Amino acid sequence: AQKVTQAQTEISVVEKEDVTLDCVYETRDTTYYLFWYKQPPSGELVFLIRRNSFDEQNEISGRYSWNFQKSTSSFNFTITASQVVDSAVYFCALSEAGGGSNYKLTFGKGTLLTVNP
Amino acid sequence: KAGVTQTPRYLIKTRGQQVTLSCSPISGHRSVSWYQQTPGQGLQFLFEYFSETQRNKGNFPGRFSGRQFSNSRSEMNVSTLELGDSALYLCASRAQGGLTGELFFGEGSRLTVL
Repeated sequence: AQKVTQAQTEISVVEKEDVTLDCVYETRDTTYYLFWYKQPPSGELVFLIRRNSFDEQNEISGRYSWNFQKSTSSFNFTITASQVVDSAVYFCALSEAGGGSNYKLTFGKGTLLTVNP
Repeated sequence: KAGVTQTPRYLIKTRGQQVTLSCSPISGHRSVSWYQQTPGQGLQFLFEYFSETQRNKGNFPGRFSGRQFSNSRSEMNVSTLELGDSALYLCASRAQGGLTGELFFGEGSRLTVL
């Protein structure tokens, strides 16, 4: 069965600090997909990134970067020079490619990030 | 391009009642999935529809049901409401089935059961 663990329930930082959100996953499949979503107070989940299990290249998008390590089953997310607008709940999610599982995402419990001015 | 639209945004029901939530996907999207979000259980998959067919269902009791219409709009229904059904219900759409497309979420319908 697939599982996603976000051990950090809440993180509070001061603006311009760097912050890393941890994500550890469990799956038996060799082919799977990992995601990060941002949920602002409005409730809508905003897609940030999708990574498949065969692509371990780290990715950088502006102030955002992601570190995927299959050896430790982790897919961590770093925000560099955080801003108040980054305050939100961040979710890591996993989807297995096999059978009927690829139609659903299994989410972690989320990390509430608060960036203080 | 309009996003995923969910109605109603907020509603209050009492135990034992039933509720129907509606989701209009992004134009051209044929896959619609539903998720329940609660403080205790987090985000949990309810079901996914593609071209009017349910392709996957999460671990929820039969009181939770859904359907998709020929125009890809979807509804979910919860009968005999319980206090624990209070949650944010999120709908998501994508252009096609599987994981070949990005999943776009609506802002959700917040249900309170008294």
